[in-house]
Amino acid sequence: GAVVSQHPSWVICKSGTSVKIECRSLDFQATTMFWYRQFPKQSLMLMATSNEGSKATYEQGVEKDKFLINHASLTLSTLTVTSAHPEDSSFYICSARSPWYGYTFGSGTRLTVV
Amino acid sequence: GIQVEQSPPDLILQEGANSTLRCNFSDSVNNLQWFHQNPWGQLINLFYIPSGTKQNGRLSATTVATERYSLLYISSSQTTDSGVYFCAGLLNTGTASKLTFGTGTRLQVTL
Repeated sequence: GAVVSQHPSWVICKSGTSVKIECRSLDFQATTMFWYRQFPKQSLMLMATSNEGSKATYEQGVEKDKFLINHASLTLSTLTVTSAHPEDSSFYICSARSPWYGYTFGSGTRLTVV
Repeated sequence: GIQVEQSPPDLILQEGANSTLRCNFSDSVNNLQWFHQNPWGQLINLFYIPSGTKQNGRLSATTVATERYSLLYISSSQTTDSGVYFCAGLLNTGTASKLTFGTGTRLQVTL
């Protein structure tokens, strides 16, 4: 139980384009999901908390207009990296908290902006 | 926010060896979790351990909340144990519950 599916697993995009990453809770409902960013050989840094039906809460230093988060249903949150640039290249991971298994993480999305 | 430090930062073990990973946190946390991130990036939840000791096969963990640290023991290590081990503390701030990750221990198990 408590599976979080994240797509795509990897994506390469051109500088200036936008990329959407999906995070789905498959067997539970998640009113709250979390988006993390991880640079090579570093820890996970929380970017934002995605709240179903309301605005996301962004951590200090994270540009909300750059990283658009939508949580339109109890099982789906999306992160859109707008006008991507090479410095946005990173590993993005989503997470949701299930009632029985605690925090469960998606498999991550490796974004490369060229 | 809380600071979570892990040691050692890097560890190389020969298969079959035992090891202890440490996690220190700067403030009281409501719970503590240990995760293993495999070489493909997937995070696996190992333990939810706000206090006391738990065991799961070759792995066990102990948290001493009053002294703000947690230990992860790996016995008879295998090459599949390689990856990065993170501890993460949960801090409740009003309605938000956020996991703060430690700095990680990168483990390589060799034959």
